[in-house]
Amino acid sequence: GDSVTQMEGPVTLSEEAFLTINCTYTATGYPSLFWYVQYPGEGLQLLLKATKADDKGSNKGFEATYRKETTSFHLEKGSVQVSDSAVYFCALSPGGYNKLIFGAGTRLAVHP
Amino acid sequence: EPEVTQTPSHQVTQMGQEVILRCVPISNHLYFYWYRQILGQKVEFLVSFYNNEISEKSEIFDDQFSVERPDGSNFTLKIRSTKLEDSAMYFCASSDQGRFGETQYFGPGTRLLVL
Repeated sequence: GDSVTQMEGPVTLSEEAFLTINCTYTATGYPSLFWYVQYPGEGLQLLLKATKADDKGSNKGFEATYRKETTSFHLEKGSVQVSDSAVYFCALSPGGYNKLIFGAGTRLAVHP
Repeated sequence: EPEVTQTPSHQVTQMGQEVILRCVPISNHLYFYWYRQILGQKVEFLVSFYNNEISEKSEIFDDQFSVERPDGSNFTLKIRSTKLEDSAMYFCASSDQGRFGETQYFGPGTRLLVL
């Protein structure tokens, strides 16, 4: 079945470091891809999304590109801040359905 | 900005008891969802609901679970006879039209502990 695999955390970075969180997926059709973020004590919030191959989603300095050839949707940010400390979830929505299938989540800790 | 709300934030119950988790989706949204996250595991889809009917459900969503939209604002998840393994964070979500690639908006979750 459809699934999402993302790099295990925790990821610990210093402020202003470059961030990459890897995400790959398995899907039989043409899914939409999402990154959700969960700040401490809060629910899941959409960070960015892409609905077709080669689309780039971006928000708050984060970017991810839908790569069909490598079935990937890696999250990147050029310069992280302490306020980016959170858990990041990669997810897909299979074509024809609107449920979300999540990866395991990656905890990011950014230190001053 | 409109948001999804959930009550209670925490619930402790005894095994075998019934629990009802409540959600108020964003007011003009038409699709509603429940997900759960067992501690240390992935967020898992339970059920989607549209037009007063279940549109899709996962293998987890067995006869012990039911969902209802009792009025124009609330969306509930009932677990009929709780088991220890039902202990998890339960998230409600809603989306506007249920279109492909549409954003789902999540509530803050209800942490359920079954003793």
